[in-house]
Amino acid sequence: KQEVTQIPAALSVPEGENLVLNCSFTDSAIYNLQWFRQDPGKGLTSLLLIQSSQREQTSGRLNASLDKSSGRSTLYIAASQPGDSATYLCAVIDDNNNDMRFGAGTRLTVKP
Amino acid sequence: DADVTQTPRNRITKTGKRIMLECSQTKGHDRMYWYRQDPGLGLRLIYYSFDVKDINKGEISDGYSVSRQAQAKFSLSLESAIPNQTALYFCATSADEGSYTGELFFGEGSRLTVL
Repeated sequence: KQEVTQIPAALSVPEGENLVLNCSFTDSAIYNLQWFRQDPGKGLTSLLLIQSSQREQTSGRLNASLDKSSGRSTLYIAASQPGDSATYLCAVIDDNNNDMRFGAGTRLTVKP
Repeated sequence: DADVTQTPRNRITKTGKRIMLECSQTKGHDRMYWYRQDPGLGLRLIYYSFDVKDINKGEISDGYSVSRQAQAKFSLSLESAIPNQTALYFCATSADEGSYTGELFFGEGSRLTVL
């Protein structure tokens, strides 16, 4: 059974800092990996999707990398802003059964 | 207007009551999903449907049922609600085969409290 872990559970940084959020998964047979942002009381917004054949994806100040063999993904946020404060979740879809498994998320606070 | 709409957004009910959460989408996707989110546990899949005639159990389907009334509508029912079903429920969609990337699109969520 695929397990997805996100460390740390919470992170607080000053505005302007570059930061990295981590996601690890136990089964490398994945179809893709997706990073989401969730604001309090809101749904999930897709940030980046990396197919299993890709190594990274970039969108603006966000860069996500994928290392299938080691079961790891990172989300890099450059020049963090208070508006980046949210919970960030990663999720993987298994290659075999299309089952999507989520991590518990990292709650990010960017202080002005 | 949101592409994936959930109703109600908030509901408080009592143990034993029947509750239905509804989801409708305008994205034209065949695949629809229901997840629940609990603090510290991430999202867990309850049921999913790949088309109107296809319904599948997810990781935690006990105590829940679903109905796919049309391509655009997927409802989740709690026949007899219990307090540990208090959670935030999300509906999601994804594109069908041919254009399938696995990318999920979520509704805003339905917060259910069972007293």
